[in-house]
Order: sequence, then C-alpha cells, then structure tokens
Amino acid sequence: KAGVTQTPRYLIKTRGQQVTLSCSPISGHRSVSWYQQTPGQGLQFLFEYFSETQRNKGNFPGRFSGRQFSNSRSEMNVSTLELGDSALYLCASSLRSPNTEAFFGQGTRLTVV
Amino acid sequence: QQPVQSPQAVILREGEDAVINCSSSKALYSVHWYRQKHGEAPVFLMILLKGGEQKGHEKISASFNEKKQQSSLYLTASQLSYSGTYFCGTDHREGSGGSNYKLTFGKGTLLTVNP
Repeated sequence: KAGVTQTPRYLIKTRGQQVTLSCSPISGHRSVSWYQQTPGQGLQFLFEYFSETQRNKGNFPGRFSGRQFSNSRSEMNVSTLELGDSALYLCASSLRSPNTEAFFGQGTRLTVV
Repeated sequence: QQPVQSPQAVILREGEDAVINCSSSKALYSVHWYRQKHGEAPVFLMILLKGGEQKGHEKISASFNEKKQQSSLYLTASQLSYSGTYFCGTDHREGSGGSNYKLTFGKGTLLTVNP
C-alpha cells in the first residue's frame, strides 16, 4: 500500500512569506502528527490531528497552524516565515493513537532565505 | 520535556553490541524507538508500554524501567544496516485514553557500524 506522501519535497521561501505543506497519510490512518527536524534540536512535536480535530500541540508559536480534512489528509501552515523556520518538516500517520506504530513521510525541506 | 539520550554517538565494528539509553525527568507511559538513515524518513522499531508490554518487529530488544523512567535499546551482533540515528520518543500521558497524547523525541544517537 502507498506510504505517507508529503508535498512538496523541497521549498525555498523568503522571510515574511507564508507556506503550506501537505501530508497524505496511509489509507485508513486517522491520526496525523507533524514534527520539525533540525540538526540541533532533533525531532520536535508540532501538533497531532485525529478525525479532523487537533488533539495536542507542541511548544511552537501561533504562526504554526494546521488542519485535517475529512479524508485524513493534513496541511500545515507557517505564516510570517523566519530564518529559524528552515528545517525538515515530517508528518507521521498511524491507525490511531496512542501507542501504535507511526509511519513517517519523506518530509518537506523548507529553506527560508 | 525532551528525553535525554546517551551516548550521542557510537562507532562499532560489524558484530559488536551496543546499548542506547533514553531517560526522562517525568513519569513515562510509553517509550517509542525509531531509526533514521541519512536522507530517509524515521522508521519504527519498537514501542514499550507501562506494564511491560512490548511491540516491535525487528530483531532488536529493549527494556523499560518505569521506576527509573528509563529505556534502553539493545543492538546485538550489529550489522552494517544498523547504521543510522536512533531516536527515542516518550509519552507522559496518565491513563490509557487517547487525549493529551504527545510524543517527545530525544536528540538522537548516531550509530555507525563499520565493516
């Protein structure tokens, strides 16, 4: 079966712009989590969605937001981009949470210049 | 609170063993282990649950000490394919409900296996 698909794979944006990243989970998976990965901080939790509801969020500013659609596809939006937002953004899907295996997508590499 | 992993990096020769530790300052409900190879997505290795249940599908073992709030991943007879960065993710929820579920990952342990 198809894995987790993230689009686009690479993105270059200018400071102050906004960006939307997309994640299509594995068919049948209802939970989607988003992570920011940087060399210094590792994987940092952004938020988790389950059945279109945000169930939890990490310690990121309000510029980071997300949503989930009825087909479980999820989008993440970052407004007013800063240089420090440059990172690999990963999404992970699972059948349900908690305590089930999560499958990660290849990520979207965002570079803010 | 981000869990602390140790060591930060380890270099092995094929066939040698390694232990990667993960400790938390808060009570743990479960610990998840993932491996990420360079340029690839993290891949699930194992989940260890409070109460002793383990879920995994690779030939890798782990332990979970609830009292010490620690988990250790044991890699025995390492193979070249074991190389990568290992992350532990900790879940601090109370109870078994789905709310307030948040996986917090450590900074990772870079494992290099040489021939």
